[in-house]
Amino acid sequence: ENVLTQSPDTLSLSPGERATLFCRASQSVSSDYLAWFQQKPGQAPRLLIIGTSSRATGIPDRFSGSGSGTDFTLTISRLEPVDFAVYYCQQYGSSPYTFGQGTKLEIK
Amino acid sequence: QVQLVQSGAEVKKPGSSVRVSCKASGGTFFSFSVHWVRQAPGQGLEWMGGIIPFSVTTDYARRFQGRLTLSADDSSATAYMDLSSLRSEDTAVYYCARGVPFAYSGNYYFDYWGQGSLVTVSS
Repeated sequence: ENVLTQSPDTLSLSPGERATLFCRASQSVSSDYLAWFQQKPGQAPRLLIIGTSSRATGIPDRFSGSGSGTDFTLTISRLEPVDFAVYYCQQYGSSPYTFGQGTKLEIK
Repeated sequence: QVQLVQSGAEVKKPGSSVRVSCKASGGTFFSFSVHWVRQAPGQGLEWMGGIIPFSVTTDYARRFQGRLTLSADDSSATAYMDLSSLRSEDTAVYYCARGVPFAYSGNYYFDYWGQGSLVTVSS
């Protein structure tokens, strides 16, 4: 099983700041098969990024993804109030599909 | 607009079984896969398994094998998740998600999700 570890667990920032979230895999992941999700309380996850860096439909361009091999990054260039949520990375390159434990992005 | 609508909340006794349904609308059910992900209270996301309705091919996470059965009915565009031998640790919100093959590969990313179904296991 490919274990994904996200860091930090919690990130405290202010609107307008830049957020950088990390995801490290225990085994190499093809860049085609790394996704990021956003989840707000009481809601289903929302797909943000597929294939490491491609934004899903309707996702604003302040969200960007990068990385390769075992290290991946989600960057939110200028935080807006609606961006404060929990973010998960996920690999879908090998079964079982696994998620990171999540990073909570909170308002400072 | 693709929508996945799940069945309602359930309260079950330990040792019993639960079925959660996931009805798709607004898109082609036949061409995609359906995956199930659960989230225990205050916890992260856990992939349980997936099914390709076209071929009735299933893939289960090892920890659920023997207890989890996924099925789908093309005629009603509905997928089902059956989980047996329930225990208190199975208390969670269960989500279905549409799996889309990435660039014609056999690997699926999850673009649309159901609203979630809370399953509570308690004596």
